[in-house]
Amino acid sequence: AQSVAQPEDQVNVAEGNPLTVKCTYSVSGNPYLFWYVQYPNRGLQFLLKYITGDNLVKGSYGFEAEFNKSQTSFHLKKPSALVSDSALYFCAVRPPGRRALTFGSGTRLQVQP
Amino acid sequence: EAGVTQSPTHLIKPSGQQATLRCSPISGHTSVYWYQQALGLGLQFLLWYDEGEERNRGNFPPRFSGRQFPNYSSELNVNALELEDSALYLCASSSAETYYEQYFGPGTRLTVT
Repeated sequence: AQSVAQPEDQVNVAEGNPLTVKCTYSVSGNPYLFWYVQYPNRGLQFLLKYITGDNLVKGSYGFEAEFNKSQTSFHLKKPSALVSDSALYFCAVRPPGRRALTFGSGTRLQVQP
Repeated sequence: EAGVTQSPTHLIKPSGQQATLRCSPISGHTSVYWYQQALGLGLQFLLWYDEGEERNRGNFPPRFSGRQFPNYSSELNVNALELEDSALYLCASSSAETYYEQYFGPGTRLTVT
């Protein structure tokens, strides 16, 4: 069975500093990987995805993620954090041949001014 | 382009009764997914509908059911409500053109009293 781990419940970073939100996965085959963001009392907003190809994926709002097959990781990164980036971030995996997403437990990002 | 819409925004029902949640996908999307986001349990896959048929369901009891209409909108029904059904129910839609990445609606907050 597939699984996604987000080892940090919360990440704190100062505005202007780089941020990393970690994600590792366990799935057979070559999965599709996704990052979503959730603001309070809102649904999920799609940030970026990895399907195939270049290991560095660029997405919305200046976010990017690096796919590392050997480490089965898909960490979310941003070179310079904004206070408005403060939200709940979810990593998700979709195994080959499946449609349902399996989500990690989420990481709360807090960017301090 | 209008996003995924869900209604109602909030729903309060006594235990034992039935709740009906509705979802309209993005125009052109034929697949609809339902997820439950319960406190402490994270995001869990409920149901997937495509072309009017239920294609897959998550690990939920049969009292969670639904359907997809010819216009691809969808309805989630929860029968015999239990207190632990209180959660945010998220609907998502997808199309083949974008590797089936899922776009989420704002959710329906169901509270069982």
